Amino acid sequence: KAGVTQTPRYLIKTRGQQVTLSCSPISGHRSVSWYQQTPGQGLQFLFEYFSETQRNKGNFPGRFSGRQFSNSRSEMNVSTLELGDSALYLCASSSGLAGAEHNEQFFGPGTRLTVL
Amino acid sequence: EDQVTQSPEALRLQEGESSSLNCSYTVSGLRGLFWYRQDPGKGPEFLFTLYSAGEEKEKERLKATLTKKESFLHITAPKPEDSATYLCAVQAWGGTSYGKLTFGQGTILTVHP
Repeated sequence: KAGVTQTPRYLIKTRGQQVTLSCSPISGHRSVSWYQQTPGQGLQFLFEYFSETQRNKGNFPGRFSGRQFSNSRSEMNVSTLELGDSALYLCASSSGLAGAEHNEQFFGPGTRLTVL
Repeated sequence: EDQVTQSPEALRLQEGESSSLNCSYTVSGLRGLFWYRQDPGKGPEFLFTLYSAGEEKEKERLKATLTKKESFLHITAPKPEDSATYLCAVQAWGGTSYGKLTFGQGTILTVHP
């Protein structure tokens, strides 16, 4: 069974630009969560999508947005990039079904974004 | 607000020297506590899920335990390949917790041969 894939793996952008990151979940999984990982703040939750609907959102500015497609693939977009947006962006997939036993999240390798 | 605190921040062991990592948490209602391993430049790798106090799970040299306030990750006779950052995370029940894991800052484990 293929794992979670993320593209691209590395990105270099300049301040003010926008960026789109992609995530393909494990086959059969319908929930995709996004996280930002930095040395200072650790792993922080951005948002979660299930069946093309955003069900939950973390405390990030509106410049961070996402969407999910009918095949469960998800994208996140960051507009008007700032230096502080440099981070490892991780997506995680889970079944998204009700019941505690269905909420294990499996992470992709991440996209390393550098903002100059 | 859910909170997770891991200790120590860093731990250096000799090969074969057993030890434990601690994860203290506060959460409104625990849906699950998760342990992950993360190697440099990679995404976290899932290790265990614990659901209720008293539960224990084992995998090779690792054993995770859970109480109402904390979890321990016990490492028995570690090897250099066990060197990594170990992350603890919690998920609460309720709609505001859909897909959201709250992570601790991690423990950086280094095992010397």
